[in-house]
Amino acid sequence: QVQLQESGPGLVKPSQTLSLTCTFSGGSISRGGHYWNWIRQHPGRGLEWIGYVFYSGTTYYNESLKSRIVISVDTTKNQFSLKMRSVTTADTAVYFCARQSSSSSWLDLWGQGTLVTVSS
Amino acid sequence: QSVLTQPPSVSAAPGQKVTISCSGSSSNIGNNYVSWYQQLPGTAPKLLIYDNDKRPSGIPDRFSGSRSGTSATLGITGLQPGDEADYYCGTWDSSLSAGHVFGTGTKVTVL
Repeated sequence: QVQLQESGPGLVKPSQTLSLTCTFSGGSISRGGHYWNWIRQHPGRGLEWIGYVFYSGTTYYNESLKSRIVISVDTTKNQFSLKMRSVTTADTAVYFCARQSSSSSWLDLWGQGTLVTVSS
Repeated sequence: QSVLTQPPSVSAAPGQKVTISCSGSSSNIGNNYVSWYQQLPGTAPKLLIYDNDKRPSGIPDRFSGSRSGTSATLGITGLQPGDEADYYCGTWDSSLSAGHVFGTGTKVTVL
């Protein structure tokens, strides 16, 4: 069964670094053909795209977040990761990983999401 | 943050039809394919429509999509209680701040 699963701390202190990992199962990231995205949803709000990584390591980021984020891929583990530094309470959100076809923009596979709370 | 505008809510009785609009600009909807997502309470979004009007395998034909100019529309016919959810449009924005953009979201209520 093809699926994505987020993992990482549910609580991060202000000014620290948020680190999340998304594991892809049922296929291989290194096969290509997809971009691997991070998307977040603030409580009770809409969806915000964070960025994506290709299996080669090529990345593309949301301009408003790019100074604080790094998205990387580890094809040996079939995982990709998000690091966001200098977090504030405004970064409290549910974080989703999602797969995108490289030939279009639709996101056809999503992880269940993980709530990250920024609080001291 | 959302650059695509949707109505906050729509409602109808079971069996009826609802339509959800998604308004954008030439840098997004006007020149890129639109997708639609259904988010049931407490779950992740699910792809409903891609490339403006195509349905993934397993999505019933009660759901339909269209695009005209810088706007897109999602239609749901034969409304069912299980359709009560939030719906989001999405596309790529090709402006200087390029990236995925999503709509503001529409809550569908089945009366």
